Amino acid sequence: QSALTQPRSVSESPGQSVTISCTGTSSDVGVYNYVSWYQQHPGKAPKLMIHDVSKRPSGVPDRFSGSKSGNTASLTISGLQAEDEADYYCCSYAGNFAYVFGTGTKVTVL
Amino acid sequence: EVQLLESGGGLVQPGGSLRLSCAVSGLTFASFAMTWVRQAPGKGLEWVSGISGSGGGTYYADSVKGRFTISRENSKNTLYLQMDSLRVEDTAVYYCVTGQTTGGGYWFDPWGQGTLVTVSS
Repeated sequence: QSALTQPRSVSESPGQSVTISCTGTSSDVGVYNYVSWYQQHPGKAPKLMIHDVSKRPSGVPDRFSGSKSGNTASLTISGLQAEDEADYYCCSYAGNFAYVFGTGTKVTVL
Repeated sequence: EVQLLESGGGLVQPGGSLRLSCAVSGLTFASFAMTWVRQAPGKGLEWVSGISGSGGGTYYADSVKGRFTISRENSKNTLYLQMDSLRVEDTAVYYCVTGQTTGGGYWFDPWGQGTLVTVSS
């Protein structure tokens, strides 16, 4: 199972919006609505931000939103804040009780 | 508050074995599937293995199938990962993670702090 494809990095000024893409195939992202997103600060464990494509857990700011179209899922961060600077990973169910993560995207707040 | 505490990491030679443990508290352990996710130094996340709440279902990434064994002891609220025939490329931080679901696929939350496994001669 190959890793899902994410841009290596994105950057934007505080208050602006960024969108991170996560491209898979018709065997994972394209067929299952089980995409989740994780935020990871340096030296820390990942933290769940979005599950089931677009559902936000309690405690996650509503600045974070998720969507999916075809084989590509997306995470949008609106009103970017300094504390949003981190690595972000998508993850999709890939069938046969297996999961695949994305390659990861570094978000930089300019 | 849910807490997951991994232990058992360390330095091992190629071909060697290691057993990781994860002590879980703050939830009804037997009701939750559990997963191991690893992260090689400076690299991304990789799903390694999962196990159902009862322990009756176990699942593995192709990269570890036949070498790693996941298990759990619900009476002790503990998850394990037995790692045999270790390779240099197994070097990573190994995270113990709870699997959550509403009946379909899983998402992973919360995560332990991770334990480092280094495979080197």
